[in-house]
Amino acid sequence: GAGVSQSPSNKVTEKGKDVELRCDPISGHTALYWYRQSLGQGLEFLIYFQGNSAPDKSGLPSDRFSAERTGGSVSTLTIQRTQQEDSAVYLCASSPRQGYGNTIYFGEGSWLTVV
Amino acid sequence: SQQGEEDPQALSIQEGENATMNCSYKTSINNLQWYRQNSGRGLVHLILIRSNEREKHSGRLRVTLDTSKKSSSLLITASRAADTASYFCATARMNTGTASKLTFGTGTRLQVTL
Repeated sequence: GAGVSQSPSNKVTEKGKDVELRCDPISGHTALYWYRQSLGQGLEFLIYFQGNSAPDKSGLPSDRFSAERTGGSVSTLTIQRTQQEDSAVYLCASSPRQGYGNTIYFGEGSWLTVV
Repeated sequence: SQQGEEDPQALSIQEGENATMNCSYKTSINNLQWYRQNSGRGLVHLILIRSNEREKHSGRLRVTLDTSKKSSSLLITASRAADTASYFCATARMNTGTASKLTFGTGTRLQVTL
């Protein structure tokens, strides 16, 4: 596709359940980011993948959060035992090459509601 | 803590007026970018200014960067109702590793009324 694709676009889950959010970056982009945005707030960095390098996981808020990127392309963000404070929009972005702060291209996000 | 902090948090102007938003940051940066977000969904890149640049233009957008004050401003001239959105600055820190990430501020919500 032409842009970053995320699925599902909306997800309602019960507290305590696990959820998986998927991101398909733009073809050929080596860098992939996950951000979280609570209602009316700024973006909170979660994790960054760059090629075959070890991911920067410094933003993951707890060990309930994990992410993987298979084959250098698709990424999955997994939240285990969801809590109500996990409710937010989860935004994925990709960038064409490594380097300091190249322009990144965002998907439309996955809106997660934990009830 | 937030690397980028925008102000004001919210700005309401009339169509045709200019809108100015500011961003302050804390650490040395390689570049600073401005993004726009409609309706809480995906962000769209607007403009990038490198640390060795002081001013940059793109259409109705003008961005300045003052590295001595660790601040940047985004000016939108002759605003339109379609400019209504949230605007975020993002900084890329100077580092020696190959990993890099953009750190976003909290955003300025701009409302342009007819």
